[in-house]
Amino acid sequence: AQKITQTQPGMFVQEKEAVTLDCTYDTSDPSYGLFWYKQPSSGEMIFLIYQGSYDQQNATEGRYSLNFQKARKSANLVISASQLGDSAMYFCAMREGNTGTASKLTFGTGTRLQVTL
Amino acid sequence: AAGVIQSPRHLIKEKRETATLKCYPIPRHDTVYWYQQGPGQDPQFLISFYEKMQSDKGSIPDRFSAQQFSDYHSELNMSSLELGDSALYFCASSLEGRAHNEQFFGPGTRLTVL
Repeated sequence: AQKITQTQPGMFVQEKEAVTLDCTYDTSDPSYGLFWYKQPSSGEMIFLIYQGSYDQQNATEGRYSLNFQKARKSANLVISASQLGDSAMYFCAMREGNTGTASKLTFGTGTRLQVTL
Repeated sequence: AAGVIQSPRHLIKEKRETATLKCYPIPRHDTVYWYQQGPGQDPQFLISFYEKMQSDKGSIPDRFSAQQFSDYHSELNMSSLELGDSALYFCASSLEGRAHNEQFFGPGTRLTVL
């Protein structure tokens, strides 16, 4: 089974609108972390936001927020007030195990977001 | 703020040649990860080092080897290169013990095998 599933290969959103990028995950480890990264066409991987499995509140970072629904195993990224510069590939990733261990990230297949005028 | 440095940024090699990719983590970061991202693919974990010791191994071919040196920089050595090795190779670093072990990625090395 896929550990990270992103079901939206591509999304379009108008400038200034909000958009939700879906991510579901599968793990039996009670301790895990969920990450979102942005990859523009230039190729670099830019960290956006993190949610820990024990965090009580949804994470927020500026225009980015994470809609964490633990029982449904979903960690959707919400981008508010979209900007043209948000056009990029977005990856959801998971780290399993406790902090303090050098745990690798497992990535989803990504969602390509295009912001239009 | 200092970021992860990777060199070279671009590399072109012939089949069966060797290549060495270098990674300089963020100062004071003690963990390095290597990922391979093929064209149109998601990044795949190759190998990681914590305090200069290999800590985890993923889908890394036997033709590849890596190490982390005393100054914490890491090198990924790739031999007998194949066309399928053409990819973007990322190095990421983290400081274990931080609240969420955020991994900071370098700009990547784009390897093209001809």
